[in-house]
Amino acid sequence: AQTVTQSQPEMSVQEAETVTLSCTYDTSESDYYLFWYKQPPSRQMILVIRQEAYKQQNATENRFSVNFQKAAKSFSLKISDSQLGDAAMYFCAYRIITGNQFYFGTGTSLTVIP
Amino acid sequence: NAGVTQTPKFRILKIGQSMTLQCTQDMNHNYMYWYRQDPGMGLKLIYYSVGAGITDKGEVPNGYNVSRSTTEDFPLRLELAAPSQTSVYFCASSHHDRPNQPQHFGDGTRLSIL
Repeated sequence: AQTVTQSQPEMSVQEAETVTLSCTYDTSESDYYLFWYKQPPSRQMILVIRQEAYKQQNATENRFSVNFQKAAKSFSLKISDSQLGDAAMYFCAYRIITGNQFYFGTGTSLTVIP
Repeated sequence: NAGVTQTPKFRILKIGQSMTLQCTQDMNHNYMYWYRQDPGMGLKLIYYSVGAGITDKGEVPNGYNVSRSTTEDFPLRLELAAPSQTSVYFCASSHHDRPNQPQHFGDGTRLSIL
């Protein structure tokens, strides 16, 4: 079974501080892609960052970076210098290369405290 | 480039009524998906399609029907609305030949069944 687990339903961070959101997944596949999406109150799903499983180097997009541990099936998101606009629900997702579906976690609600 | 467009954005139905949620994309994506998102929860896959004329059930298909007569359009039909179908519905699309590409989401339809 393909499952994605986000064990932190809610997180909070002080503005300008760093926060890490955790994600683990379960798959028997070796080739897949991992994604973090952000869903602000406007409801729109926005891609934050992606990671190819065959790449050992962790992906980085400005203030967002991931810690990808393939053996541990872990894919955490680090947000540096947190801003008020980062407040949102964050979803972890993955897709196997040969698959039709994306598998989503249940989300982590991030609050940024001014 | 409009991306994924969903209509309507909001709708209130009475129990037993029927309606169709419209979804269209202009990115020539062959994969399209319908999800529902209940309050405070993640995304659950209702149906998906890998191309015109081909549809398949997701995790929660009961009470819904879909069709895919063109690459661009993927409507979702509720035949006999029930209160349990109160949710936010998202349509998404992705490219089959580029599995590292994320899904592109519409802005969602908030549906209330009273």
